[in-house]
Amino acid sequence: GEDVEQSLFLSVREGDSSVINCTYTDSSSTYLYWYKQEPGAGLQLLTYIFSNMDMKQDQRLTVLLNKKDKHLSLRIADTQTGDSAIYFCAEDSQAGTALIFGKGTTLSVSS
Amino acid sequence: NAGVTQTPKFQVLKTGQSMTLQCAQDMNHEYMSWYRQDPGMGLRLIHYSVGAGITDQGEVPNGYNVSRSTTEDFPLRLLSAAPSQTSVYFCASSYGEYPYNEQFFGPGTRLTVL
Repeated sequence: GEDVEQSLFLSVREGDSSVINCTYTDSSSTYLYWYKQEPGAGLQLLTYIFSNMDMKQDQRLTVLLNKKDKHLSLRIADTQTGDSAIYFCAEDSQAGTALIFGKGTTLSVSS
Repeated sequence: NAGVTQTPKFQVLKTGQSMTLQCAQDMNHEYMSWYRQDPGMGLRLIHYSVGAGITDQGEVPNGYNVSRSTTEDFPLRLLSAAPSQTSVYFCASSYGEYPYNEQFFGPGTRLTVL
């Protein structure tokens, strides 16, 4: 079935780079997504990548996609304390009507 | 645009009580979904709808009912609340599959069942 796996916690120091990893199972997913959830709030789309791309860069964010290994990563350069949040990897459901989310990676940034 | 709104923000129920979680969107989105978020479990899809009058089950539908009589509203009903339904509930909407399935989330309803 559809499944998305992520590590649960990541702790970095301010100014370092953060790398959050994700593996997914549905190779037919057209897009893969990264969502961010700040404390007490809903999720917001951070970035996404089309499945025929290997990399996407958006300011401090770099998304890498390895389709062969079904591996997705999110790199945040120059991580700030404001980046502390839960980051969810997601893929399209097979029906394409909703998303399948990973369990989320809690990023803690210390100054 | 208000985006996706959910009411109430917090709710405490006793086992066996029923209630409806409200969700509305003003973006004319066709697709709407309900997720529940539990610690260490991420978000799990409860029910979804691809348009008015059309609903379907997600990963964890048991104990929940939905209906979609209008494009704007997608209420979630708990018929007989159980402690296992203690969770944070998120409603989301999207344009659908094109160009990509960006989901817009409401602020969530935190439900406690005693």
